[in-house]
Amino acid sequence: AQTVTQSQPEMSVQEAETVTLSCTYDTSESDYYLFWYKQPPSRQMILVIRQEAYKQQNATENRFSVNFQKAAKSFSLKISDSQLGDAAMYFCAYRSFSSGNTPLVFGKGTRLSVIA
Amino acid sequence: GAVVSQHPSRVICKSGTSVKIECRSLDFQATTMFWYRQFPKKSLMLMATSNEGSKATYEQGVEKDKFLINHASLTLSTLTVTSAHPEDSSFYICSARGGVNQPQHFGDGTRLSIL
Repeated sequence: AQTVTQSQPEMSVQEAETVTLSCTYDTSESDYYLFWYKQPPSRQMILVIRQEAYKQQNATENRFSVNFQKAAKSFSLKISDSQLGDAAMYFCAYRSFSSGNTPLVFGKGTRLSVIA
Repeated sequence: GAVVSQHPSRVICKSGTSVKIECRSLDFQATTMFWYRQFPKKSLMLMATSNEGSKATYEQGVEKDKFLINHASLTLSTLTVTSAHPEDSSFYICSARGGVNQPQHFGDGTRLSIL
């Protein structure tokens, strides 16, 4: 079974600075998706960024980018120019690229605080 | 964009009551729906996966007679917590997907409190 590990339970960053959240995963599959979700205090799950494993280019969405290292099974999230609204729980997630009803497998999350 | 509506957002009821939570895909047909449970400051724990018209597949340790899941149509899945007790108090989140390699969209969750 696949597992996702987020080794940083909590992180903090100064407003306007850059922070990197770590995520590693374990799988024997070669094709899969990786995601970062944000969960603010409202508890809504918001998709931040998505990466297909077959793509070598790292995904980018405005201030959010990933460092995808397939061989190392690492998928870190970089948040640039951090804003107060970025404060939330961040979950890394894995999903198989296969037929069938494969669910998202989540890490335990990293709570990000943004300091004004 | 695609939207998943989950209702109700908050339920408070007495022990022994059965509670139904609805999850609707508003602008796409959800071939697969997922139900998660989240404890305070914890991650999302998958409870079950359901496909329209077939029985749900429950994760190990989840009581199927306790948590009844019905996926009667391509836009609606329901989770019924039967004879709820205080230990069932939690945050429940549904998620829906339109196809095998389609994005997975989340509802806003239901906070269930059993007194």
